[in-house]
Amino acid sequence: QQPVQSPQAVILREGEDAVINCSSSKALYSVHWYRQKHGEAPVFLMILLKGGEQKGHEKISASFNEKKQQSSLYLTASQLSYSGTYFCGTEIQGAQKLVFGQGTRLTINP
Amino acid sequence: GAVVSQHPSRVICKSGTSVKIECRSLDFQATTMFWYRQFPKQSLMLMATSNEGSKATYEQGVEKDKFLINHASLTLSTLTVTSAHPEDSSFYICSARAGSTDTQYFGPGTRLTVL
Repeated sequence: QQPVQSPQAVILREGEDAVINCSSSKALYSVHWYRQKHGEAPVFLMILLKGGEQKGHEKISASFNEKKQQSSLYLTASQLSYSGTYFCGTEIQGAQKLVFGQGTRLTINP
Repeated sequence: GAVVSQHPSRVICKSGTSVKIECRSLDFQATTMFWYRQFPKQSLMLMATSNEGSKATYEQGVEKDKFLINHASLTLSTLTVTSAHPEDSSFYICSARAGSTDTQYFGPGTRLTVL
């Protein structure tokens, strides 16, 4: 079942912070975060595994709450290059495949 | 590291023809490759999972006879869209997963337009 992302879209000014949430109705083994720019393929940001939390980049980090079956992506001091659509991909134990959320469109204005 | 290539990047074909798309992992061995389809402003929809040397596993609703997948080696998987129709027009993206990691790396995608 497809995870639910919120918000669907967000518009920020450069330097502002954003939080994108990903919620699943099933117990998760891992959560993967990707950013996709228009007309391009998704770019891997980070992976969070059951039992752990990982920071992938200096100003982009994420958390994974296994009990709540939720993950959040944090973007601090946003830059223009952060614009794009963010997808979370969730993996159930043993499934060996990702199911992606509907995406969150992030627009950063100067 | 972890580079995945796809070829061609764009293809335009006539209705009824077949189109083959190649996906290669350039600097690692991909035990598993995945094929996705993405319509404009929509999410990534998994079509099938392909393991080297075995038959692909297709998602519900995906016609295996229409979308032929071959994973001939640890670095190459191909998707053939047979008897393409305009409704098959989409952005097709592959991803590859190394045996030692949980991370999937995406190829640059192939934009298919069927006239």
